[in-house]
Amino acid sequence: SVLTQSPGTLSLSPGERATLSCRASQSVRTNYLAWYQQKPGQAPRLLISGASTRATGIPDRFSGGGSGTDFTLTISRLEPEDFAVYYCHQYGFGRDTFGQGTRLEIK
Amino acid sequence: QVHLVQSGAEVTKPGASVKVSCMASGYTFINYDIEWVRQVPGQGFEWMGYMNPDNGKTGYAQKFQGRVTMTRDTSINTAYMELYSLRSEDTAVYYCARYDTRQRNGFDMWGQGTMVTVSS
Repeated sequence: SVLTQSPGTLSLSPGERATLSCRASQSVRTNYLAWYQQKPGQAPRLLISGASTRATGIPDRFSGGGSGTDFTLTISRLEPEDFAVYYCHQYGFGRDTFGQGTRLEIK
Repeated sequence: QVHLVQSGAEVTKPGASVKVSCMASGYTFINYDIEWVRQVPGQGFEWMGYMNPDNGKTGYAQKFQGRVTMTRDTSINTAYMELYSLRSEDTAVYYCARYDTRQRNGFDMWGQGTMVTVSS
């Protein structure tokens, strides 16, 4: 299943709301869809799993939603540290794939 | 504190092989699968496969079948990924990550990454 993220780049200001999209070419089984944040030179950090469950220690301004083939990551009010690249990932059945990423940059 | 610590950067030649290690600490090693993912610099991620440290069972992405082996040494809580017949396109950062097959909550801990450069 191919995961397509949009937009490729999102330019916003701190305090604004960010909505990132991830569309799958086939339905994601049991909604095993995760979101990660990656900053330059760092490993990814898990934000959301199971489409909507926040990982331990992730602030509640991050939320995930969707099902089937359409998923979203929403950051309700952007903080300076949120500007990074975000990836979606479908997992759990031995044929994992990742989206190509959305770069969230400061406007 | 949970950590996955990977071996250092490697520079190697086309046709050679490379073996990357991933040492786990702060949790029970055999209770989580170890997944291997690579990232070409400036690009996205590519899943390579997984290993169950408890029984050694592995599953590889079709692209890497026949060219990768994932193993472990439970006495030192370390997983290994060996990639053979390297080519320039294998230049990437290689990550290990852990996955709880019971909770199914994504890759919740990652190693720091190992840069592998394939160049003649």
